[in-house]
Amino acid sequence: QAVVTQEPSFSVSPGGTVTLSCGLSSGSVSTSHYAGWYQQTPGQAPRTLIYSTNIRSSGVPDRFSGSILGNKAALTITGAQADDEAHYYCVLSMGGDNWVFGGGTKLTVL
Amino acid sequence: QVQLVQSGAEMKKPGSSVKVSCKASRGTFSSYAVNWVRQAPGQGLEWMGRLIPSLGLANYAQMFQDRVTLTADRSTTTAYMELRSLRSEDTAVYYCTRGEAFDIWGPGTVVAVS
Repeated sequence: QAVVTQEPSFSVSPGGTVTLSCGLSSGSVSTSHYAGWYQQTPGQAPRTLIYSTNIRSSGVPDRFSGSILGNKAALTITGAQADDEAHYYCVLSMGGDNWVFGGGTKLTVL
Repeated sequence: QVQLVQSGAEMKKPGSSVKVSCKASRGTFSSYAVNWVRQAPGQGLEWMGRLIPSLGLANYAQMFQDRVTLTADRSTTTAYMELRSLRSEDTAVYYCTRGEAFDIWGPGTVVAVS
């Protein structure tokens, strides 16, 4: 089974911009993988940010955006805020109605 | 907006089974799929499988294929995830989430196996 890769951790300064990536152990990520991005804080259920690569979920501020950068899916956060500190997970469709989550990125805002 | 309401926490013995429910707060799941995702303590998210309640079609992640069954009631307002032959490694929070976008998440159901 393919492995979905994410940076284990990342840090950003308040007001700064950060781009998190979501790749494959072998091969490139494309729009055909319908990448989704989810934010999770301790003790809470995940919150959907982005689906189908770049569609923002209802109520998500436009400082969160999704794209394909190079051979990976990417989540960009502009104007980072303290409450953006969380774990971020991506998920990719592997075809055949199968999905695989990445291991998650712990984002620190400091 | 639709909310997903899940059944309460469960404590189970190794070798037993658990069945977790997920109810749409308003109406049915319609044509949406219902995905099941679990999260072991301190770990990441793991996709288990999905069911399209209106069609009764399910597919499963390979690692759960032999132990999990996804179903829904005839009215397609409630979906179920049954996991059999429980072991301690199955201790986790189990989430249901809607559709290809995973756009709505239930609050999670804690299953403890000990």
